Amino acid sequence: KQEVTQIPAALSVPEGENLVLNCSFTDSAIYNLQWFRQDPGKGLTSLLLIQSSQREQTSGRLNASLDKSSGRSTLYIAASQPGDSATYLCAVRPVETGGFKTIFGAGTRLFVKA
Amino acid sequence: DTAVSQTPKYLVTQMGNDKSIKCEQNLGHDTMYWYKQDSKKFLKIMFSYNNKELIINETVPNRFSPKSPDKAHLNLHINSLELGDSAVYFCASSQGLRLAEETQYFGPGTRLLVL
Repeated sequence: KQEVTQIPAALSVPEGENLVLNCSFTDSAIYNLQWFRQDPGKGLTSLLLIQSSQREQTSGRLNASLDKSSGRSTLYIAASQPGDSATYLCAVRPVETGGFKTIFGAGTRLFVKA
Repeated sequence: DTAVSQTPKYLVTQMGNDKSIKCEQNLGHDTMYWYKQDSKKFLKIMFSYNNKELIINETVPNRFSPKSPDKAHLNLHINSLELGDSAVYFCASSQGLRLAEETQYFGPGTRLLVL
């Protein structure tokens, strides 16, 4: 059974710091891994999607890597800003369910202090 | 234009009542989903629909019945509401053609409180 774990559960950093959020999953048979951002009281916004054949994706100050064989992904945020404060969710789409099911981690709550 | 919309945004009701949450997407997607986010913020899949057909039912009590009148809509009916049903319910959609490449688009959520 696929399980997704995110470490740390919460993180507080000063503005300008580079940081890394970690995600691990137990079954490497996935179609893709996606990182989302959730602001308090809001829905989810997709940040980056890495297909199973890819190693990383970049968007602005964000870089996500995928090591499928070891079941790990990291989200790197460069030069963090107070506006980055949110919960970051990692999610995988397992092959076993035909890709119609997405398994989420519990998230990392990030607070960037001005 | 809102890509995935849900109504209502807030829902407060008594135990035992029956309620519905509506979801609409204007992205032309074939696949729609319902998720439940509990008080600990853990997000879990409930149902997946593709072209109006139920694909995934993640052992959700049969008090929950999704209905898809067309590909753009996936509504969630909940009968005999219980305290444990209090949560935020999210609707989402994706294209449904190339699952390895597809992003899911989420609605803003419906905050359900059962008293």
